[in-house]
Amino acid sequence: GAGVSQSPRYKVAKRGQDVALRCDPISGHVSLFWYQQALGQGPEFLTYFQNEAQLDKSGLPSDRFFAERPEGSVSTLKIQRTQQEDSAVYLCASSLGFGGNTEAFFGQGTRLTVV
Amino acid sequence: SQQGEEDPQALSIQEGENATMNCSYKTSINNLQWYRQNSGRGLVHLILIRSNEREKHSGRLRVTLDTSKKSSSLLITASRAADTASYFCATDGGGSNYKLTFGKGTLLTVNP
Repeated sequence: GAGVSQSPRYKVAKRGQDVALRCDPISGHVSLFWYQQALGQGPEFLTYFQNEAQLDKSGLPSDRFFAERPEGSVSTLKIQRTQQEDSAVYLCASSLGFGGNTEAFFGQGTRLTVV
Repeated sequence: SQQGEEDPQALSIQEGENATMNCSYKTSINNLQWYRQNSGRGLVHLILIRSNEREKHSGRLRVTLDTSKKSSSLLITASRAADTASYFCATDGGGSNYKLTFGKGTLLTVNP
């Protein structure tokens, strides 16, 4: 595809439900980032993959959050037992280079609402 | 936690005027990037400036970087209503730090 694709665009989950958010990065991009963005705030770093290796997961807020990128392409962010404070937009970005050394391309995000 | 802090938090100007936004950060960096986010949309990369560069231009955008003061500025000249958006700076934390860390952003409103 032409850009980073995220699905679903919107997700409403009942408190306690598990959710899975998908990210299709640009083909050939080595780096993949997940961010959480609350209303009116900047994106908060969650985790970083270089190919299939998760090199940094220091931003994941709790052990309910889990991310994977098993084949170095598509990534999934899973949130178990969702809580209201998990409500946010989850952004995925990919870049050709390593880490923050090159331009990152962002998807449109998944807006998660936990009710 | 967020590495960069943009200033001002909000800025309202008339079309045709210049807009200047500032960013301060805390740690060493390899590079600093600026992004734009329109309401409800994803972030779009504007410009990347490396730590050994002091100034960079792209169209109506001018970015400066002062590593001694750990600060950067983004100047948008001859602003247009379509420039209305939130603007974020992002830093990589230097060394082999893989994070791309964003500030809280400046909300720019350009009035027609």
